Amino acid sequence: KAGVTQTPRYLIKTRGQQVTLSCSPISGHRSVSWYQQTPGQGLQFLFEYFSETQRNKGNFPGRFSGRQFSNSRSEMNVSTLELGDSALYLCASSLMTANTEAFFGQGTRLTVV
Amino acid sequence: KNEVEQSPQNLTAQEGEFITINCSYSVGISALHWLQQHPGGGIVSLFMLSSGKKKHGRLIATINIQEKHSSLHITASHPRDSAVYICAVYSNNAGNMLTFGGGTRLMVKP
Repeated sequence: KAGVTQTPRYLIKTRGQQVTLSCSPISGHRSVSWYQQTPGQGLQFLFEYFSETQRNKGNFPGRFSGRQFSNSRSEMNVSTLELGDSALYLCASSLMTANTEAFFGQGTRLTVV
Repeated sequence: KNEVEQSPQNLTAQEGEFITINCSYSVGISALHWLQQHPGGGIVSLFMLSSGKKKHGRLIATINIQEKHSSLHITASHPRDSAVYICAVYSNNAGNMLTFGGGTRLMVKP
């Protein structure tokens, strides 16, 4: 069974640009959650999608958005990039929403210059 | 004060030693994850537990819901166990939103 796949693995963008990251969950998993990891703030929850609906949202500005497709694949978008958006972005897939084991992807390392 | 606290932040051990990492949380939870992160970023789920104790190989995780405390034990530690270990909780009524501890950086020397 394939694991969680995130693309791309590495990305360099310029301030002001926008970026789209992709996450393909484990087959059959319907919940995808996104997290940001920085040295200063650690791991923080961005949002969770289940059956194409956003179920939870963390405390991030509106520049961070996401969506989920009917095949459960998810994308997150960050517009008007800032230097502080440089981070490792991780997605996790779970079978259902609420208290099911999370399986993480390898992450996308975004560098904003 | 963070909702999830881990100790110690850093830990150095000699190969073969018994290791304990602690996690305390201040919110009501429905389950707790122990995660492992190697350099390069990928995170692996070691355990998810909501009560009692789980064992997998040389790893043991325990949780005490009343005391809001969990421990991760590594028996007969090995240099390949060197990684960051992260405790994360599912708060009640928060779906699959995980709240994370700050992590424990473990180095096991041969």
